[in-house]
Amino acid sequence: ETGVTQSPTHLIKTRGQQVTLRCSSQSGHNTVSWYQQALGQGPQFIFQYYREEENGRGNFPPRFSGLQFPNYSSELNVNALELDDSALYLCASSLAGASSGNTIYFGEGSWLTVV
Amino acid sequence: AQRVTQPEKLLSVFKGAPVELKCNYSYSGSPELFWYVQYSRQRLQLLLRHISRESIKGFTADLNKGETSFHLKKPFAQEEDSAMYYCALRSGSARQLTFGSGTQLTVLP
Repeated sequence: ETGVTQSPTHLIKTRGQQVTLRCSSQSGHNTVSWYQQALGQGPQFIFQYYREEENGRGNFPPRFSGLQFPNYSSELNVNALELDDSALYLCASSLAGASSGNTIYFGEGSWLTVV
Repeated sequence: AQRVTQPEKLLSVFKGAPVELKCNYSYSGSPELFWYVQYSRQRLQLLLRHISRESIKGFTADLNKGETSFHLKKPFAQEEDSAMYYCALRSGSARQLTFGSGTQLTVLP
């Protein structure tokens, strides 16, 4: 068991609304990343937080934003939801953002449907 | 920009047959490559990484820089190997993963 937990597991939102997804990282992990996985595609990197600061971002618009808290848990916020935002959102944690040797552990994801 | 290509969306083999899942990458630096697996109703998990040169569950993968490939191989497939397999490259300031689109492997009895 990897210990990365996400909530909620499923949710449905209306276009234009805002959503907040939550993630608790594995104990001791100080780095959290978020990925979007559309149906039939591999996960795509959204952004990463290391010690409460964003330290990397993929090709996603500013309406995708995040937070990391002192206990290293994290939130992903998406404003002005669009139909194409419907996807599985994965949270991943690791021990140190800059180290290439540390394993990245994934949560089970939050399924978001925008109608 | 980095890119990972998995040309086969679906792959079916019979139990006991060899299996090879293809992965090609495009990256200007020194690549760090991984294979992740997702079994039915389970989370994405690391299968193996090229720097470890390990064999996990009978699977191996060799990095071929000349062909920019990192194919996953197993000499004798088992039914429990049926899963979605993703090849990924780690890069960037955040050491983030760039995934391929995945290959659904089905091992037939």
